[in-house]
Amino acid sequence: SAVISQKPSRDICQRGTSLTIQCQVDSQVTMMFWYRQQPGQSLTLIATANQGSEATYESGFVIDKFPISRPNLTFSTLTVSNMSPEDSSIYLCSVPGGEGNIQYFGAGTRLSVL
Amino acid sequence: GIQVEQSPPDLILQEGANSTLRCNFSDSVNNLQWFHQNPWGQLINLFYIPSGTKQNGRLSATTVATERYSLLYISSSQTTDSGVYFCAVLSGSRLTFGEGTQLTVNP
Repeated sequence: SAVISQKPSRDICQRGTSLTIQCQVDSQVTMMFWYRQQPGQSLTLIATANQGSEATYESGFVIDKFPISRPNLTFSTLTVSNMSPEDSSIYLCSVPGGEGNIQYFGAGTRLSVL
Repeated sequence: GIQVEQSPPDLILQEGANSTLRCNFSDSVNNLQWFHQNPWGQLINLFYIPSGTKQNGRLSATTVATERYSLLYISSSQTTDSGVYFCAVLSGSRLTFGEGTQLTVNP
């Protein structure tokens, strides 16, 4: 299994500001994934972060709003830019590992935008 | 893309009762996982079960891949079982989640 450390665990931000979320894994992984979970909703994939290349964004998500960095095989950041109250969500990172590419998740970042 | 449907959307139980949660998916998958999201938002891996049956304590899961569904059984439910249960399927490298089942276990 993979151990994932995600920071911050929660934050309250003002609209128009940006927040960077960090995800650290205890082993090297090729792909890291970022998800958003809006209140009362399921998880939606934002993007796939590959080391050494630009992230691949899902439909409805753009790099200007959610820039991602992947400087090495154990670390990634997701920035939520120019935030509005609609960005209030839980943001989670995940990595695959082990049998069948089981997906492991960090504890999540609970973001509230005022 | 692949569709994942879970039922029921909400379930309320008395402590000690048993329950079955269902997950239907629309296409062949490489992987199926069941998660429990606790009230603090953390996702806990319950089962990796692309086919067959697995058991872990009071929980068990069965996936019939040829018929594209999976079941999660919870026996002798406890208040700590409350939360949202998600089924997620891996197709290619993408993990797609169902909408979840909100389980409330009352003492």
